Amino acid sequence: DQQVKQNSPSLSVQEGRISILNCDYTNSMFDYFLWYKKYPAEGPTFLISISSIKDKNEDGRFTVFLNKSAKHLSLHIVPSQPGDSAVYFCAAQQGGSQGNLIFGKGTKLSVKP
Amino acid sequence: EAGVTQFPSHSVIEKGQTVTLRCDPISGHDNLYWYRRVMGKEIKFLLHFVKESKQDESGMPNNRFLAERTGGTYSTLKVQPAELEDSGVYFCASSHGRAYTFGSGTRLTVV
Repeated sequence: DQQVKQNSPSLSVQEGRISILNCDYTNSMFDYFLWYKKYPAEGPTFLISISSIKDKNEDGRFTVFLNKSAKHLSLHIVPSQPGDSAVYFCAAQQGGSQGNLIFGKGTKLSVKP
Repeated sequence: EAGVTQFPSHSVIEKGQTVTLRCDPISGHDNLYWYRRVMGKEIKFLLHFVKESKQDESGMPNNRFLAERTGGTYSTLKVQPAELEDSGVYFCASSHGRAYTFGSGTRLTVV
């Protein structure tokens, strides 16, 4: 049974607009959440993370929101750029820095010029 | 700093053969992880080393998979004998904190 779910396999947005990628989880013991970006033939690259004690973390054009009561997090990219086109994976972790990451299936984002 | 290095980048082998994947983590990273992604599915945890010791190998599919980490440096993942369902991309990652750095992966195709 999947503990981390990304229900949208793909998302298409226009350059300059906002991209919103969503992620749901089932395990209330997760205490850290991460977003990774993956280009074809490359490994996942860390993008941004958030601790469960926070509800928002921002880094430049990227903001992650966490709603613990809903067990939901989202990644906002503003403004979206064609270079953001990639597969985005949501991941969750428990048990401190040595806990393994549980990944969702990913959402393929296409940003059209 | 140099990233996580994996080789080979691609491997095509016949069912029943043996394949060994190698991972060189970032120098100084005690934590090393192996993950696998089967086409279109999530990236799944296989196992975790802390230095040379296996911390968690709960994700290893079966005893055809053997992982080692020599002297707490590089790691190898051997599949013997390979089956068709072992095809996928095998990622290695290392970490010092909570955000892992992944290698580019080894694409394994078993025919």
